[in-house]
Amino acid sequence: AQSVTQLGSHVSVSEGALVLLRCNYSSSVPPYLFWYVQYPNQGLQLLLKYTSAATLVKGINGFEAEFKKSETSFHLTKPSAHMSDAAEYFCAVSFLSGGSYIPTFGRGTSLIVHP
Amino acid sequence: NAGVTQTPKFQVLKTGQSMTLQCAQDMNHNSMYWYRQDPGMGLRLIYYSASEGTTDKGEVPNGYNVSRLNKREFSLRLESAAPSQTSVYFCASSEARGAYNSPLHFGNGTRLTVT
Repeated sequence: AQSVTQLGSHVSVSEGALVLLRCNYSSSVPPYLFWYVQYPNQGLQLLLKYTSAATLVKGINGFEAEFKKSETSFHLTKPSAHMSDAAEYFCAVSFLSGGSYIPTFGRGTSLIVHP
Repeated sequence: NAGVTQTPKFQVLKTGQSMTLQCAQDMNHNSMYWYRQDPGMGLRLIYYSASEGTTDKGEVPNGYNVSRLNKREFSLRLESAAPSQTSVYFCASSEARGAYNSPLHFGNGTRLTVT
């Protein structure tokens, strides 16, 4: 079965520090890749998506992610964390199933930002 | 710009009771999905509908039924609720047939407690 793995259920950084959230997937063909963010008591919002046009993808709020096919990874980064970045982050990969691409989610990483 | 609307926002059921979670989208999307979110488990797909008139099982369909009433509406029914179904339920929709490189648009969720 196809799977998505997010390393670390919690990541803690200081305000202004680099943010790195890891995502690896299992797939024999290039999948479609997304990062979503969830703020408390809300639904998920799209941060960015991989379109195959470029391996480095820029998203909202200063986040970006790099697709590395050889490593089957799609890690999310932000150069400088802000307090407002504290949230739950989900990596999602669309795998082909029965003629449709079905989004499969990782277990999520909670980002904690310290002043 | 309502997007994806879910009702109710909160619900408490006793074991064995039934209920239907309602979802409607106003973006003319083909595909709709029901996920459940549990702590540490990420989002798991219950059922999806790739297009009007079709529904398919996801990863965790047991204990649930769905109806794609029309292009706008996709409901989730619990026939006999169990405590294991205590969760937050999210409805989502996407633009393309299947989820072909199309990000999901989420509702704000229904928080269900089964006692």
